[in-house]
Amino acid sequence: AQSVTQLDSQVPVFEEAPVELRCNYSSSVSVYLFWYVQYPNQGLQLLLKYLSGSTLVKGINGFEAEFNKSQTSFHLRKPSVHISDTAEYFCAVSDGGGSEKLVFGKGTKLTVNP
Amino acid sequence: SAVISQKPSRDICQRGTSLTIQCQVDSQVTMMFWYRQQPGQSLTLIATANQGSEATYESGFVIDKFPISRPNLTFSTLTVSNMSPEDSSIYLCSVTIGGGRETQYFGPGTRLLVL
Repeated sequence: AQSVTQLDSQVPVFEEAPVELRCNYSSSVSVYLFWYVQYPNQGLQLLLKYLSGSTLVKGINGFEAEFNKSQTSFHLRKPSVHISDTAEYFCAVSDGGGSEKLVFGKGTKLTVNP
Repeated sequence: SAVISQKPSRDICQRGTSLTIQCQVDSQVTMMFWYRQQPGQSLTLIATANQGSEATYESGFVIDKFPISRPNLTFSTLTVSNMSPEDSSIYLCSVTIGGGRETQYFGPGTRLLVL
């Protein structure tokens, strides 16, 4: 079964600084990878996804992620964060073999300070 | 994507009672999912609900505790039965849309507190 590890439970950064949120998944022949964001008291919003093709994926709000098969990683990055990026970020994976089941990491709380 | 709504948005319930959560989608979808997010935790899949068939439950979740209905392609309900304080969580529904069955879109969640 798939598993997802988000190495950092909390990441504090200053506004306009770059940020990287790390995500590693257990190995599989093929996978689909996702990053979701959860703002306080809200549901989950899809940030970006990797299904196939280019390993660099661009999402909403200036976020991007890079799929690295050899390192089984899918780290999320943003070159300059805003206060409004303060939220919980979840990495998720599903088997590329057709199962729609998503397995989530434990989440990373990003706090952007002025 | 799709517009997904859930009712109620939040509730406070007494132990031993049951609560039914509704999930409504503005378009027809094949797959609907129900997740639980316990306080400070990640999301755990409860069950997958396809229209016209019994829901498929994940390990650790049973139909008697979490009965699910899926009467049509735009609607589903999840009931949390005989509640205890340990059931205090956010319950979220999600859907996959059209040919992009690999991507799930989530509702806003139902915040449940059991006293």
